Amino acid sequence: AQSVTQPDIHITVSEGASLELRCNYSYGATPYLFWYVQSPGQGLQLLLKYFSGDTLVQGIKGFEAEFKRSQSSFNLRKPSVHWSDAAEYFCAAWMDSSYKLIFGSGTRLLVRP
Amino acid sequence: DGGITQSPKYLFRKEGQNVTLSCEQNLNHDAMYWYRQDPGQGLRLIYYSQIVNDFQKGDIAEGYSVSREKKESFPLTVTSAQKNPTAFYLCASQSAGGTDTQYFGPGTRLTVL
Repeated sequence: AQSVTQPDIHITVSEGASLELRCNYSYGATPYLFWYVQSPGQGLQLLLKYFSGDTLVQGIKGFEAEFKRSQSSFNLRKPSVHWSDAAEYFCAAWMDSSYKLIFGSGTRLLVRP
Repeated sequence: DGGITQSPKYLFRKEGQNVTLSCEQNLNHDAMYWYRQDPGQGLRLIYYSQIVNDFQKGDIAEGYSVSREKKESFPLTVTSAQKNPTAFYLCASQSAGGTDTQYFGPGTRLTVL
């Protein structure tokens, strides 16, 4: 079945530390991949997206993500986390056969001062 | 200022009542979507519409209804048949399928009393 998995429900990092949020997908082909961020009680904002080409994608707010076909992964990274990065992060995949965006269950990021 | 508006921000309803959530976009997008968000479950697709006067059921359409009479508007009605309607509801729009980004509104929190 087509699915997107975010194995970490919560992650806590110290301010200034690096961050990696994991995302895996299950699909026979390469889907279009997205990372969104959501602040409490708000809508989702797109951080970055991957369709094809360079497997390292740069996004807004200093985030980047790397697509690894062999691992069916699209992990989100940031070299130095700021307190304002505390939010929930969603990985999503558009799979042509379903004509819809499939979301992972989200990872809540907490930032220690 | 282009974007998606959802109203109201907070909505309270008594059991047995139908309620309609508004979603308007001025992005000239063809496709519009309704998602339901519950803690720890990510986003689940309720209904989507790829063009005016046409819409399809998503994964959890039971107890919900929609209409798409205008390109800009995609209201969602939560009927009394929805067993557990308390949730955060997000509307999104997209220019076309696949590679285009889905843009999200700020959401409506519905609470059934």
